Amino acid sequence: EAQLVESGGGLIQPGRSLRLSCAGSGFALSDYAVNWVRQTPGKGLEWVGFIRTSPYGETTEYAASVKGRFTILRDDSKNIAYLQMNSLQTEDTGRYFCSRYSLVDMLFTFDLWGQGTLVAVSS
Amino acid sequence: DIQMSQSPSALSASVGDRVTITCRASQGVTNYVAWFQQKPGKVPERLIFAASRLQSGVPSRFSGSGSGTDFTLTISGLQPEDFATYYCLQHGNHPFSFGRGTKVDVK
Repeated sequence: EAQLVESGGGLIQPGRSLRLSCAGSGFALSDYAVNWVRQTPGKGLEWVGFIRTSPYGETTEYAASVKGRFTILRDDSKNIAYLQMNSLQTEDTGRYFCSRYSLVDMLFTFDLWGQGTLVAVSS
Repeated sequence: DIQMSQSPSALSASVGDRVTITCRASQGVTNYVAWFQQKPGKVPERLIFAASRLQSGVPSRFSGSGSGTDFTLTISGLQPEDFATYYCLQHGNHPFSFGRGTKVDVK
């Protein structure tokens, strides 16, 4: 069964860094682009960023709110994608999800999600 | 950047009602719109992709329509398990963006 599992969340002070992991199992993560999405307390869902597959240069895209602070990476040999978060701010507190970006009948879909990992930025 | 204006932000409905939620994109996104359902503390559940395609395993009372800038999610015959928050997402242009959500609660 295909699965995504996020890890690496925790309590962190403002200004510090944290790296989240998104581990795939039951499928080859290398075949898929990966999105990161977060949900901040009392607010809705926010798209954070995206990494393309190796044939597309593993290039990345980011939301304006995290651009320059967050970096998405992937290690397909380990079937893992990462979200490196630097200069964390209290507004970055939330649950972070990764999602597989798949082609179904030549149409893109966010077809698989992890359970999420909690990040709390507080002094 | 593309903004997704989702409305209403909340609505009250009864079991059996027909519910309609709309999203308007600030620029055309062809049919790159998905719809999700989320319950408190849970993972978003995908409902619709490519504006109108039902995700595998999703009940047929959910349907999506639209293209370009205007999109609609319809629930035909609301069930008790459908009380939740619904989000649209455009992925036609980077950065991708969600609507602000529509909370559907019990009338």
